[in-house]
Amino acid sequence: DGGITQSPKYLFRKEGQNVTLSCEQNLNHDAMYWYRQDPGQGLRLIYYSQIVNDFQKGDIAEGYSVSREKKESFPLTVTSAQKNPTAFYLCASDRGGTGELFFGEGSRLTVL
Amino acid sequence: AQSVTQPDIHITVSEGASLELRCNYSYGATPYLFWYVQSPGQGLQLLLKYFSGDTLVQGIKGFEAEFKRSQSSFNLRKPSVHWSDAAEYFCAVGDGGADGLTFGKGTHLIIQP
Repeated sequence: DGGITQSPKYLFRKEGQNVTLSCEQNLNHDAMYWYRQDPGQGLRLIYYSQIVNDFQKGDIAEGYSVSREKKESFPLTVTSAQKNPTAFYLCASDRGGTGELFFGEGSRLTVL
Repeated sequence: AQSVTQPDIHITVSEGASLELRCNYSYGATPYLFWYVQSPGQGLQLLLKYFSGDTLVQGIKGFEAEFKRSQSSFNLRKPSVHWSDAAEYFCAVGDGGADGLTFGKGTHLIIQP
């Protein structure tokens, strides 16, 4: 079945460490997204990519970085510059033309 | 800038009772509107969407929503809720482009037996 796979599901990090969250899709979608979810805050856009080798900052990009070397993959790196990285991270892709998003199961990052 | 307001943080409904979750949006043009549902620790699943045409849209799991342009609203309804409907519900707005959706802060639905 087609879908979006995020890994790992749970991740623990010490302060000062960078960590990379994986997102892979086999839906053949061009656009991919990273959202951050905090309790009571809804989803906030971190980065998005409309095509390979191109990406744009979302509303809360500071302290994060991404790459898009392949259509299927859109990894997110949470750097030590992110002041409050503990959150639930969701990756999504867009069928195209309507903005309808398909989501992965999420990755929960906890900073110890 | 577009925005979405979900006025109710929590709603408690008895099983079998009707449900209405409110959503108001701010957007300059005709919006693309969505309702998503999220179970704890999971990703989001699309319930229904409105792009154009009939303002009453049907979705999965017996949900429906009505687009009211004059009120800038897109409320979600279900005539009879089941215990399995307990979840977080998000309303979202977009413009059909590839720059993502803007989400509300969500409504947590609790089902009483």
